[in-house]
Amino acid sequence: GAVVSQHPSRVICKSGTSVKIECRSLDFQATTMFWYRQFPKQSLMLMATSNEGSKATYEQGVEKDKFLINHASLTLSTLTVTSAHPEDSSFYICSARERRGQGYNQPQHFGDGTRLSIL
Amino acid sequence: AQKVTQAQTEISVVEKEDVTLDCVYETRDTTYYLFWYKQPPSGELVFLIRRNSFDEQNEISGRYSWNFQKSTSSFNFTITASQVVDSAVYFCALATTDSWGKLQFGAGTQVVVTP
Repeated sequence: GAVVSQHPSRVICKSGTSVKIECRSLDFQATTMFWYRQFPKQSLMLMATSNEGSKATYEQGVEKDKFLINHASLTLSTLTVTSAHPEDSSFYICSARERRGQGYNQPQHFGDGTRLSIL
Repeated sequence: AQKVTQAQTEISVVEKEDVTLDCVYETRDTTYYLFWYKQPPSGELVFLIRRNSFDEQNEISGRYSWNFQKSTSSFNFTITASQVVDSAVYFCALATTDSWGKLQFGAGTQVVVTP
């Protein structure tokens, strides 16, 4: 079945570091990718929508300069957490919308998530 | 505005008991999709079901069953004869056609199954 690879699965780094997370669709083209954030014992909150070849659309309250999203190809989107601080520690998970079928029938697949810990 | 409410924060059961997870949603759209996902302690999201607003048929898949009631805006999920491996957080989610792919998740229900 369709697979979305998210890398790295876990990262621990010092405050002030920038961290890049990759979301890659392995066997399908993704028209759109989504980035979610999940704090411990909380729900998933959509951060932004990433469309190939265009600027990402951020949800209200999400700092676009803090969370840089690049969707350079139909199989890869990256989220860079710039100058990360302890409050950015969270579980980040991407999903990719498969480019086949009609609009709302296009399947969506989730990556396995990245656990980010900032010391 | 869309909203998904999972009022049960945690449910604890003993193995082989049935457990029902409630999900109530709000949307003004006439076409929408409802989902259930399982999130085990390892963190990944496991897709369980997608149901569109025009299909009110209940569904059964092994020990899992879903009851979709548009009249009460509910999409409840039942695990029959629960097992320890069912211990996880379960999320109900909603997507509408004008924002397809953007999932509005409920708060999640932690299911704890003890032997």
